[in-house]
Amino acid sequence: AQTVTQSQPEMSVQEAETVTLSCTYDTSESDYYLFWYKQPPSRQMILVIRQEAYKQQNATENRFSVNFQKAAKSFSLKISDSQLGDAAMYFCALTGANSKLTFGKGITLSVRP
Amino acid sequence: KAGVTQTPRYLIKTRGQQVTLSCSPISGHRSVSWYQQTPGQGLQFLFEYFSETQRNKGNFPGRFSGRQFSNSRSEMNVSTLELGDSALYLCASSLGSVGNTDTQYFGPGTRLTVL
Repeated sequence: AQTVTQSQPEMSVQEAETVTLSCTYDTSESDYYLFWYKQPPSRQMILVIRQEAYKQQNATENRFSVNFQKAAKSFSLKISDSQLGDAAMYFCALTGANSKLTFGKGITLSVRP
Repeated sequence: KAGVTQTPRYLIKTRGQQVTLSCSPISGHRSVSWYQQTPGQGLQFLFEYFSETQRNKGNFPGRFSGRQFSNSRSEMNVSTLELGDSALYLCASSLGSVGNTDTQYFGPGTRLTVL
């Protein structure tokens, strides 16, 4: 079975500052993918970033980057230069060969102007 | 390319009724997955369809069913609705490649309220 744990239910960051969202996971598969999705108040789930487990290099998408620690089964998301539009719920997710996405409980990020 | 679309966006039903939700995937995507999102249980996988066949199934009762058409559009049906079925139902599409670890893109969801 796969599990994803997001232990922080809420976080807050000042606009233009940097924030890191934590995620740990567990899987018995050797080939898997990790994702961060953003869900704003509109409820539309938006892909933020994706990491292939076989790649050692951490994924980066503009202001978003991950710190992937495979041995520790840790997958944190760093948001640099936070913007008001970054305020949303963020979900860490994992998928393996069976195509099923397993999600964490999510973390609500607020951005202070 | 147009994104994933879901209809209807909002639905109100009463207990005992049945409901059908529709999802149109991104053009070229052959896999459609369904998820249920509730405040208590979070996001849970319902099932996945690929080439008109159910390829994977989550732990939901048989009242939840689905199908996929030859154009990859998918429908899910919930029969004998219960209050606990009130949720946001999200559909996601992907290419559905072998091993199927490609990225899933989500639709805006259908908000179902059961009274």
